[in-house]
Amino acid sequence: GAVVSQHPSWVICKSGTSVKIECRSLDFQATTMFWYRQFPKQSLMLMATSNEGSKATYEQGVEKDKFLINHASLTLSTLTVTSAHPEDSSFYICSARDRGQGNTEAFFGQGTRLTVV
Amino acid sequence: DAKTTQPTSMDCAEGRAANLPCNHSTISGNEYVYWYRQIHSQGPQYIIHGLKNNETNEMASLIITEDRKSSTLILPHATLRDTAVYYCIVSSYSGGGADGLTFGKGTHLIIQP
Repeated sequence: GAVVSQHPSWVICKSGTSVKIECRSLDFQATTMFWYRQFPKQSLMLMATSNEGSKATYEQGVEKDKFLINHASLTLSTLTVTSAHPEDSSFYICSARDRGQGNTEAFFGQGTRLTVV
Repeated sequence: DAKTTQPTSMDCAEGRAANLPCNHSTISGNEYVYWYRQIHSQGPQYIIHGLKNNETNEMASLIITEDRKSSTLILPHATLRDTAVYYCIVSSYSGGGADGLTFGKGTHLIIQP
């Protein structure tokens, strides 16, 4: 299947700082990418939809000024957690779908474990 | 997207077939059934999907009932590496591409040696 890569795999940052997470589709182009968050022992929750060349669409309750999303190319979306606080500590996962294929499955990155201290 | 119901957890002996059920009684005509799994601390992995016909690939088989209100994911020869949380998700074609997926709690499948 197609490959989606996230970087970094894990990051520890101080409270009040910003952290950028990258999501790349390695062997296909993705018009749309998705960002999810997963707290311990819970399921994935969709945070936002990242659209190449336009603004992201955020789910209800997700602060767009805190979670900045940029999708500048068909292979890269970034999520920046601004002014991070300990409650932002979570597992962040991106996914993408191959725009050139007729299949509908999404491929996921390996996730980024964020710990804010 | 239609809601799905799965058992919280299941055990299966190594080498045996693992059969994971999913109920999706409110599924619409244009909605697909997707299965993903998540091994601890990793991103979800796509397994298989189908609309109304049974499907098989190198990982698993998907059996969808004729009325499409339920389905079963079959791992033919389970190994210890198949221990994971399995998510059954229902989503329309456009949902699979343009909309994100809605994850439920899934089934925690534990393969016993």
